[in-house]
Amino acid sequence: EPEVTQTPSHQVTQMGQEVILRCVPISNHLYFYWYRQILGQKVEFLVSFYNNEISEKSEIFDDQFSVERPDGSNFTLKIRSTKLEDSAMYFCASSGTSGGKETQYFGPGTRLLVL
Amino acid sequence: QKEVEQDPGPLSVPEGAIVSLNCTYSNSAFQYFMWYRQYSRKGPELLMYTYSSGNKEDGRFTAQVDKSSKYISLFIRDSQPSDSATYLCAMSLGSKLTFGKGITLSVRP
Repeated sequence: EPEVTQTPSHQVTQMGQEVILRCVPISNHLYFYWYRQILGQKVEFLVSFYNNEISEKSEIFDDQFSVERPDGSNFTLKIRSTKLEDSAMYFCASSGTSGGKETQYFGPGTRLLVL
Repeated sequence: QKEVEQDPGPLSVPEGAIVSLNCTYSNSAFQYFMWYRQYSRKGPELLMYTYSSGNKEDGRFTAQVDKSSKYISLFIRDSQPSDSATYLCAMSLGSKLTFGKGITLSVRP
C-alpha cells in the first residue's frame, strides 16, 4: 500500500540553525501539507501546497518557515533559524485528486529537538 | 470556545466492550469529518471519513455525524487490545484539518 515517507525520523539541532525536513508524498497525490504536534498538544496545521504554490498557511507558518517541491517526488519544510519552541513532531501529509483531496494521509513524522 | 473539543481521557475498557468516542465543534462551516488513530510516536492513520450527517460503518467501526448538534462520534464494537491507541477527531475546511486533542484508549485483555 502506498504511504508517505519522511526523513530523518529524528533531528537534533542547535538554536539558530537551519533545518530541512523531507517528505516523499504518495506518488499520484497532488496536495501536500505540513502539520506539527508539540508534545502533549494537538496536531496543528502549518501549510498546504498545491500546483507549486502555498494554498493556505496558519499563523504559525511565519517567515522562518518555507516549503518547496524541488523535484517530482520530494516535499520539504525548511526552518531558517530554529527556536526552542520549534521542538515538536512534524508530520507531512498528502491527498489525492480533486475528488478525494480531503482525505489526507500522514507520514510517520520527524521528531525535531532544538537545544 | 475552542473550534474542536474532544472528550478528555484516558479511557480504559475490557476486551469486547463497545467504545464511544465523541467530539463537538463550533464552526458550522466544517465540511468533512474524520477519525484518525495514532499509535505512540507514529503519524495519524486515517480510520473513517464522512461528510454528511448520519452513520457510516466499516467493520467494527461506526462513525456518526450530527451537523445540527455539531457533534461527531466513533463507535468501536467488540474492542480488541490492538485498538489501544490515541484517537483523534479532525474536521476540514478548505485544505486545513483541525484536530481534537485526542483521547487515549486502552483495551484490557
